[in-house]
Amino acid sequence: GQSLEQPSEVTAVEGAIVQINCTYQTSGFYGLSWYQQHDGGAPTFLSYNALDGLEETGRFSSFLSRSDSYGYLLLQELQMKDSASYFCAVRGGATNKLIFGTGTLLAVQP
Amino acid sequence: DAGVIQSPRHEVTEMGQEVTLRCKPISGHDYLFWYRQTMMRGLELLIYFNNNVPIDDSGMPEDRFSAKMPNASFSTLKIQPSEPRDSAVYFCASSPTGSSGNTIYFGEGSWLTVV
Repeated sequence: GQSLEQPSEVTAVEGAIVQINCTYQTSGFYGLSWYQQHDGGAPTFLSYNALDGLEETGRFSSFLSRSDSYGYLLLQELQMKDSASYFCAVRGGATNKLIFGTGTLLAVQP
Repeated sequence: DAGVIQSPRHEVTEMGQEVTLRCKPISGHDYLFWYRQTMMRGLELLIYFNNNVPIDDSGMPEDRFSAKMPNASFSTLKIQPSEPRDSAVYFCASSPTGSSGNTIYFGEGSWLTVV
């Protein structure tokens, strides 16, 4: 089967850098994605890694190590609006389905 | 583009009643997903379709749940009979083939309360 683990909560201050880790288990691997969800809203796509290394998109970066079944999301220059839940998701398994982790609630404090 | 459109946005129903949730995916997207989100279980994949064909329905909780996609622009998720434990936010999402299904676009969700 497929499973993902990520911390349940992270707290940081405005302007800081925070890293949210994700480890996964899957038979077959087609990429690790990250989604952001504000309270009461829908998840929205942030980034995707299919190959090892770092992908940068503005203040957000995502890293993948396939040999370690590990990835992280790096948020820089934190802003209050970054307070949200962040989900890692892996696509794999026999039917290539997209499964989400349990989410990390990020609280950005002034 | 209008995005993924779901209806109803909110529904409160009594236990035992039939619930039908509707979804219109983004035009041109080949994949359609139904997810359920609760505090206890997080975001669970219920079923997904590719080109209107169900590919994986292993997440459908039990026979009370059924999903259909009669054409490329419409899908339904039906619960019959509904139970209080079905209370959750149900998200429909779609993605184009080119993204390999890793980039999916969610609708705003249908918030279901069964009393």
